[in-house]
Amino acid sequence: GAGVSQSPSNKVTEKGKDVELRCDPISGHTALYWYRQRLGQGLEFLIYFQGNSAPDKSGLPSDRFSAERTGESVSTLTIQRTQQEDSAVYLCASSFLREITGELFFGEGSRLTVL
Amino acid sequence: GQQLNQSPQSMFIQEGEDVSMNCTSSSIFNTWLWYKQEPGEGPVLLIALYKAGELTSNGRLTAQFGITRKDSFLNISASIPSDVGIYFCAGRRAGSYQLTFGKGTKLSVIP
Repeated sequence: GAGVSQSPSNKVTEKGKDVELRCDPISGHTALYWYRQRLGQGLEFLIYFQGNSAPDKSGLPSDRFSAERTGESVSTLTIQRTQQEDSAVYLCASSFLREITGELFFGEGSRLTVL
Repeated sequence: GQQLNQSPQSMFIQEGEDVSMNCTSSSIFNTWLWYKQEPGEGPVLLIALYKAGELTSNGRLTAQFGITRKDSFLNISASIPSDVGIYFCAGRRAGSYQLTFGKGTKLSVIP
């Protein structure tokens, strides 16, 4: 596709339920990032995938958060047993990293509201 | 993770005025990026800076990579209503693929 596509755009869930967020990166982009953006805040790094290398999960806030990516395609971010503090916009970005100068292209985000 | 110090947090300006915002860090960065985010959308890249001292323009926008590599500023000249949004700075350290983001500057333009 032309840009990074995320779904769903909005998700309202009850506390304790699991949610899955999906990201389709720009075709050919080898790197994929997930960020969390709380209301009025900057972007908080969650996880990074680069090709077939082991992902950098250092930003995941707890073991309730996990993410997968198959090759250089779609990624899913899963939040188990959601809590109210998980409410945020989850942004996915992709980049074509030949060297570490690649610019990130963001999707529109998935807005998660945990009641 | 570490966040950059971005200021001001918000600005209300009259249409036609110039705007300046900046980011500072205690760490050295090899790359500075400036993004704009509009409501309901993801951030969009405005300007990328890769060399200390570099000054780059994109239309009415001008950004500079500080000579110490610990700061950057963004100027917008002759602001217009469509400039409203949240502007984020982001920095990348040498050898790292992670971007560290500032908390954003929310810009409001009064017609």
